[in-house]
Amino acid sequence: AQSVTQPDIHITVSEGASLELRCNYSYGATPYLFWYVQSPGQGLQLLLKYFSGDTLVQGIKGFEAEFKRSQSSFNLRKPSVHWSDAAEYFCAVSPSSNYQLIWGAGTKLIIKP
Amino acid sequence: EAGVTQFPSHSVIEKGQTVTLRCDPISGHDNLYWYRRVMGKEIKFLLHFVKESKQDESGMPNNRFLAERTGGTYSTLKVQPAELEDSGVYFCASSSSRGGYTFGSGTRLTVV
Repeated sequence: AQSVTQPDIHITVSEGASLELRCNYSYGATPYLFWYVQSPGQGLQLLLKYFSGDTLVQGIKGFEAEFKRSQSSFNLRKPSVHWSDAAEYFCAVSPSSNYQLIWGAGTKLIIKP
Repeated sequence: EAGVTQFPSHSVIEKGQTVTLRCDPISGHDNLYWYRRVMGKEIKFLLHFVKESKQDESGMPNNRFLAERTGGTYSTLKVQPAELEDSGVYFCASSSSRGGYTFGSGTRLTVV
């Protein structure tokens, strides 16, 4: 069965430090891959997506993610976090662009001042 | 362009009552999706409309949930009668034929 694993429920990072959020998926083929963020009181906002091509994807707010087929991973990174990055981050996969998304459980990012 | 609008943003109802959630997609988006996140769990797919037709409703939990999309515009999701386990955040998303989901802010439903 298709699944997405985000192994870290919470991550605490100091402001200005680097960040990596992990995402692994189980899927028969290379799916469409997404990272979304939900800030407190807000909806789900797309950070970036990977469909094909360059495996290093740039997104909004200074985030990037790297698709590694051999590891079935799509980890999200940011070189220097800001207090405003405190939010919950979700990894999701889909077999195509207009199909249901399968979601990870989410990772809550806490920023230490 | 206006985004995906959901209302109400919050709803508190008693067990056994009926609640109707509404989603207004981005104009021209044929695809409309409903998702739900129950407390502490993953976001789960409920159903997918293409225009006014239900493309996939495999995620609907039971027959207490009824979704409609009259005229292929806005959609409603009715829960009747509501149970405690229906509490959660209900998200709506829309996309055009080229793909790319846009999500609404969600409706937080609390059944007491």
